[in-house]
Amino acid sequence: DQQVKQNSPSLSVQEGRISILNCDYTNSMFDYFLWYKKYPAEGPTFLISISSIKDKNEDGRFTVFLNKSAKHLSLHIVPSQPGDSAVYFCANDMRFGAGTRLTVKP
Amino acid sequence: DTGVSQDPRHKITKRGQNVTFRCDPISEHNRLYWYRQTLGQGPEFLTYFQNEAQLEKSRLLSDRFSAERPKGSFSTLEIQRTEQGDSAMYLCASSPGQGEGDTQYFGPGTRLTVL
Repeated sequence: DQQVKQNSPSLSVQEGRISILNCDYTNSMFDYFLWYKKYPAEGPTFLISISSIKDKNEDGRFTVFLNKSAKHLSLHIVPSQPGDSAVYFCANDMRFGAGTRLTVKP
Repeated sequence: DTGVSQDPRHKITKRGQNVTFRCDPISEHNRLYWYRQTLGQGPEFLTYFQNEAQLEKSRLLSDRFSAERPKGSFSTLEIQRTEQGDSAMYLCASSPGQGEGDTQYFGPGTRLTVL
């Protein structure tokens, strides 16, 4: 069964530092992984994706790394800003992780 | 483009009652998805449509749940004989339907409380 797991429910970092959010998966059935960000009282919004043929995708302050052998991906945010405080979900097609709540302190 | 809209935003009902939620996707988006989210969890897939065809349903989806997308535009999700365990946020999303890597655009959700 396809699963996406985010084992860290929360992360707190200082403004300007790097935030690293992790995601593990089993039995990937689809070739794309996506990260979504969710603010309170809103639906998730797309942030960045990566194809399984790549090991890195960068978009401004956001970079996603994919390690297929370890079935692991991570989202790096550098530098972190207070406005990045949100819940981040990793997804593979229609399967989502439980999310990691990021808090960026000023 | 006004994005994905959902109605109502909040619904409180008594156990055993039926409820129906509506989702209006982004126009011309071929795919429409329904998810359920509970506290501390990510969106849990329920079902999705390609135009008017319901292509996949989660095996976790009770037969009390039914979804329709009659003209390939808006969709409804009905829950019959609601139970307290149905209390959750119900999210709708749509996507262009371009294949893998398709970005989903989510609505704000309908929060259901079953008393």
